[in-house]
Amino acid sequence: RKEVEQDPGPFNVPEGATVAFNCTYSNSASQSFFWYRQDCRKEPKLLMSVYSSGNEDGRFTAQLNRASQYISLLIRDSKLSDSATYLCVVNNQAGTALIFGKGTTLSVSS
Amino acid sequence: DAMVIQNPRYQVTQFGKPVTLSCSQTLNHNVMYWYQQKSSQAPKLLFHYYDKDFNNEADTPDNFQSRRPNTSFCFLDIRSPGLGDAAMYLCATQGANVLTFGAGSRLTVL
Repeated sequence: RKEVEQDPGPFNVPEGATVAFNCTYSNSASQSFFWYRQDCRKEPKLLMSVYSSGNEDGRFTAQLNRASQYISLLIRDSKLSDSATYLCVVNNQAGTALIFGKGTTLSVSS
Repeated sequence: DAMVIQNPRYQVTQFGKPVTLSCSQTLNHNVMYWYQQKSSQAPKLLFHYYDKDFNNEADTPDNFQSRRPNTSFCFLDIRSPGLGDAAMYLCATQGANVLTFGAGSRLTVL
């Protein structure tokens, strides 16, 4: 099993739609969880950390399910500018470094 | 102002000709990473440093080496680049569990 796996993409949605991405991780001892956003040919940038109790930042909601070892990202009222690849990031098996999932591509159209 | 600076942004080399990519940071973070990202793939961890403590991922080819002479600088050396090494190389620092990336160095191998 890969350390971090994400929903296959791409997701193509109209403006205003709600879209959700999931990510599963293999290391039950992982403590750090993040969602990063990457625009085409640019570096990844932190979108939000994921906390045990779940957290919200405007239209974005992140949740963690430790029992099932997955995290999710919900985007409400999608904007054209949300089009990007969303990368799930988790501690590696040794707990010493942060590793990335393959990413899920979102395309929002008008 | 950029806090993680990578040079060069674009590097073209010939098959087998050594290449050095550099990364500098103004954040004074102890942890630094090198990732390799190929088109439509996740950033793949090559190495990371906790201060001068070097951690090599098990599947990082011997062709890739790294140096960190001080907190601010880190180098990625590719001793004999092959066509399969063409990729974006991303340097990142880690503070408070958050990764800050440089803009990347895009390597082309002819």
